Amino acid sequence: GESVGLHLPTLSVQEGDNSIINCAYSNSASDYFIWYKQESGKGPQFIIDIRSNMDKRQGQRVTVLLNKTVKHLSLQIAATQPGDSAVYFCAENGNAGNMLTFGGGTRLMVKP
Amino acid sequence: GAGVSQSPSNKVTEKGKDVELRCDPISGHTALYWYRQSLGQGLEFLIYFQGNSAPDKSGLPSDRFSAERTGGSVSTLTIQRTQQEDSAVYLCASSSNGPTGNTIYFGEGSWLTVV
Repeated sequence: GESVGLHLPTLSVQEGDNSIINCAYSNSASDYFIWYKQESGKGPQFIIDIRSNMDKRQGQRVTVLLNKTVKHLSLQIAATQPGDSAVYFCAENGNAGNMLTFGGGTRLMVKP
Repeated sequence: GAGVSQSPSNKVTEKGKDVELRCDPISGHTALYWYRQSLGQGLEFLIYFQGNSAPDKSGLPSDRFSAERTGGSVSTLTIQRTQQEDSAVYLCASSSNGPTGNTIYFGEGSWLTVV
């Protein structure tokens, strides 16, 4: 079946370094992708999104890259801070879907 | 309110009892979603409401689960005859229109524990 998955369940980085979180998707019809951040005990928080007609989109300290050829999505966080520690989920929505399909999540741990 | 509001934030119930979880979406949002998140897991789609259209119930795990959305705003998720495997965080979300291209905002969730 169609799915969205993550390569690394846990990522540990030093404060100040850049972080890269990866995600693979299998639905070639997906045209909208989102990254969410979820802190312990809280609901998912929208970070950044990208449509399939784009390869890259930048926000404040975050960049999302989309490679449709290999169906791969990544989230880059520049100058990672302790407050970035959380679980990050990628999600996708096929153009006919009524839902977001979420990956399993990657835990980002920032070491001081 | 400014965000998606859910209640109760925590609920402990005995196996076999019914529970109701409430979601108040962002004002003006026509689309409302329910997801379930088990401990340490990803989000599992349950149901989607969009305006006056028939809801997409394709994610409901059994007939013990049902949801309503009255007046196009507040939604209630009902779990009948709760089982221990129903223990999870139930997350509600809303968006200004359908899920494609419209930011979906989540509430803080209702943490359900069935004992």
